[in-house]
Amino acid sequence: DAGVTQSPTHLIKTRGQQVTLRCSPKSGHDTVSWYQQALGQGPQFIFQYYEEEERQRGNFPDRFSGHQFPNYSSELNVNALLLGDSALYLCASSRRQGGAYNSPLHFGNGTRLTVT
Amino acid sequence: DAKTTQPPSMDCAEGRAANLPCNHSTISGNEYVYWYRQIHSQGPQYIIHGLKNNETNEMASLIITEDRKSSTLILPHATLRDTAVYYCIVRVITAGGTSYGKLTFGQGTILTVHP
Repeated sequence: DAGVTQSPTHLIKTRGQQVTLRCSPKSGHDTVSWYQQALGQGPQFIFQYYEEEERQRGNFPDRFSGHQFPNYSSELNVNALLLGDSALYLCASSRRQGGAYNSPLHFGNGTRLTVT
Repeated sequence: DAKTTQPPSMDCAEGRAANLPCNHSTISGNEYVYWYRQIHSQGPQYIIHGLKNNETNEMASLIITEDRKSSTLILPHATLRDTAVYYCIVRVITAGGTSYGKLTFGQGTILTVHP
């Protein structure tokens, strides 16, 4: 049973470019969240998707956008990259139960994005 | 979400129990205590969670005080592979409404297990 998978594992982009990161949730999971982790910091919540809609968003600018597909996989897009966007981007999946989002989140190993 | 306070670092000898404390004095009745750990260059790994009763699984035990203002994660027999950053998180769990179960990470505790 595959866990959460993310691609690519590493990526180098130039300031001003755009990037797309991909995530496949754990089997049986229907909710996907994205987190940004700067070096030496804890992960910060970006947004969460359920039923192909953004359900909750953290304190990130509109340059960060996402999408969830009918098979529950997800993409994170970042436009107009800044040097400060260099970070580990983590995808997490979970399963909505009984109307609540209380099942534990399972994380992938992330995509390391470097902006030069 | 309630704020948690953890010591920045702890040491433990291999084979001994590691007891990681967490303070969450402003926790609300609809918030669970979750523990995750992150080994270098990997994503966070779920360990255990609880509401008010003590919990145990194959990885660890979670002891929550009666007033729910603090908790302790116990790794009964620490190994070198348990060296990681441990995060204590309180998470709102409600059906419906505007809660979607996001995790708010703090700085965590760096646990170092030494031979």
